[in-house]
Amino acid sequence: SQTIHQWPATLVQPVGSPLSLECTVEGTSNPNLYWYRQAAGRGLQLLFYSVGIGQISSEVPQNLSASRPQDRQFILSSKKLLLSDSGFYLCAWSRQRSYEQYFGPGTRLTVT
Amino acid sequence: AQKVTQAQTEISVVEKEDVTLDCVYETRDTTYYLFWYKQPPSGELVFLIRRNSFDEQNEISGRYSWNFQKSTSSFNFTITASQVVDSAVYFCALRAFSNSGYALNFGKGTSLLVTP
Repeated sequence: SQTIHQWPATLVQPVGSPLSLECTVEGTSNPNLYWYRQAAGRGLQLLFYSVGIGQISSEVPQNLSASRPQDRQFILSSKKLLLSDSGFYLCAWSRQRSYEQYFGPGTRLTVT
Repeated sequence: AQKVTQAQTEISVVEKEDVTLDCVYETRDTTYYLFWYKQPPSGELVFLIRRNSFDEQNEISGRYSWNFQKSTSSFNFTITASQVVDSAVYFCALRAFSNSGYALNFGKGTSLLVTP
């Protein structure tokens, strides 16, 4: 069976500090990978998606970047965090020809 | 543009009551997919169901049932005989194939509280 991991689970970072959130998927190969952010008010917004190693598409221009160094690893980064980067970050995966996305446990980021 | 509206922000019911969560969507695509996810207090989104735009059959899974009506662009979710463990935020989502075609467009969610 497939599992998706995210770490850290929670993070408190000062404004201006760098960020690195990691997501890994087990039990499948060549998945599509996604980063979503859930801000206050509960709406989820797609930030990035990847259909393969090194292939990253950004849905919303912002202070964040993503990378996919390995088939089942997806990293969300920032060089300098802003207060507005606070939120709940969810990684998800889907099979290449399937439409449902499966989500990880999330990382709660607070920027102070 | 794709849009999902969940007009009910919060619903509170007593255990064993039936409850329906509404979802209305907008899309110009003829092929699209609709989803329901559950987000318990732990935060992880749990996939519940996917429905294709060309399949209007309603579906039942245990105490859960879904009513898909293209004529009214609705995809409502009913929980029968609700239980305390059903307390969560429920999201309806739409995936269509204009723009990137990869994003799930989520509604803002309905927070369901089931009390004993």
